[in-house]
Amino acid sequence: DGGITQSPKYLFRKEGQNVTLSCEQNLNHDAMYWYRQDPGQGLRLIYYSQIVNDFQKGDIAEGYSVSREKKESFPLTVTSAQKNPTAFYLCASSMKRFYEQYFGPGTRLTVT
Amino acid sequence: AQSVTQLGSHVSVSEGALVLLRCNYSSSVPPYLFWYVQYPNQGLQLLLKYTSAATLVKGINGFEAEFKKSETSFHLTKPSAHMSDAAEYFCAVSVDNAGKSTFGDGTTLTVKP
Repeated sequence: DGGITQSPKYLFRKEGQNVTLSCEQNLNHDAMYWYRQDPGQGLRLIYYSQIVNDFQKGDIAEGYSVSREKKESFPLTVTSAQKNPTAFYLCASSMKRFYEQYFGPGTRLTVT
Repeated sequence: AQSVTQLGSHVSVSEGALVLLRCNYSSSVPPYLFWYVQYPNQGLQLLLKYTSAATLVKGINGFEAEFKKSETSFHLTKPSAHMSDAAEYFCAVSVDNAGKSTFGDGTTLTVKP
């Protein structure tokens, strides 16, 4: 089955540690996206990539980093510089940049 | 620049009643418009999309939406609500020269028995 996988579903970290969230897709999609979701705030775009080895900052990129070394993979690192990292993180992909997006199941990150 | 406004962060209907979730967009070029649904602790799932073909778009689970250019609206409707429709709904807009979609803040739909 084609789709997007995010792992793990739940992640716990201590404050001051970097953590990397995994996102893999086997849909052969060119574009991939990372969103952060907080209660009552909808989706906020962190980073997006339209092609391998290229990515752009979204609306809230500070404290995050990404890489796109392979078409199928778009990992997100939440660094210690992110002031409030506890949130639900969603990865998505689309065939072309303006087409509909397919979402993974999300990773809920808790930092204490 | 493109933007989306969803009117009403919470909508409550009785089972069997009409569902109407409102979405207005702003775009300087012809838009692509989408409605997504999200169940608790899950990712978003596409309900339907408008890509400049028919203005009345039918989606999954009995939902439909009508693109009205004069009103810059893309409201989501369903004739008869079911308990399983309770979820959060997001409207999104995308344009050809942008690298991303812009999402609304979401509307939580509650269905009362």
